[in-house]
Amino acid sequence: NAGVTQTPKFRILKIGQSMTLQCTQDMNHNYMYWYRQDPGMGLKLIYYSVGAGITDKGEVPNGYNVSRSTTEDFPLRLELAAPSQTSVYFCASSYGGAWQPQHFGDGTRLSIL
Amino acid sequence: AQRVTQPEKLLSVFKGAPVELKCNYSYSGSPELFWYVQYSRQRLQLLLRHISRESIKGFTADLNKGETSFHLKKPFAQEEDSAMYYCALSGQSKSGAGSYQLTFGKGTKLSVIP
Repeated sequence: NAGVTQTPKFRILKIGQSMTLQCTQDMNHNYMYWYRQDPGMGLKLIYYSVGAGITDKGEVPNGYNVSRSTTEDFPLRLELAAPSQTSVYFCASSYGGAWQPQHFGDGTRLSIL
Repeated sequence: AQRVTQPEKLLSVFKGAPVELKCNYSYSGSPELFWYVQYSRQRLQLLLRHISRESIKGFTADLNKGETSFHLKKPFAQEEDSAMYYCALSGQSKSGAGSYQLTFGKGTKLSVIP
């Protein structure tokens, strides 16, 4: 099993460009999450989904959009890239919420110049 | 609001010495607490959770509600314990009942000196 797969691993964007970070999981998990991690900081939740067709905002949703059309996929969209969005992005999934452990992808390192 | 504090950015110990990674939390409800670990060139992964009351790789953590702490301990450090450790709290999100989110501390880098 691949678990949680994120693509791309690295990307450099220019200010104002758009891109989609891909995330897919093969564990049939209902819950999926997007986090960002800035240098020296903990992970902060951007958006999460409790099932196909259901998404909700986390702590830092501004500047991002998500969709969940299937159980497996949870893409994160940046519409107008800004330097403040330079970060490492992690996708995660879990069988349920609350006390269920989350399974993480390898991360996407994104630089906005 | 929920918050997790890990006061040490870096902790260096000698092999065989005891290890204690500190974690304090702030949360008004009944928390679910976790320790996640990231070894070099590996994914972030769950180490242990308080609800399971288990020992993983010799590590234990006890939830102290009075002191709002969930410190990670190991009696004898090994070189392979060197990694980044994150304490995390699962609490109810702003969306209301049934919606939870994980709040992470900033992490502590553990370095075990041979």
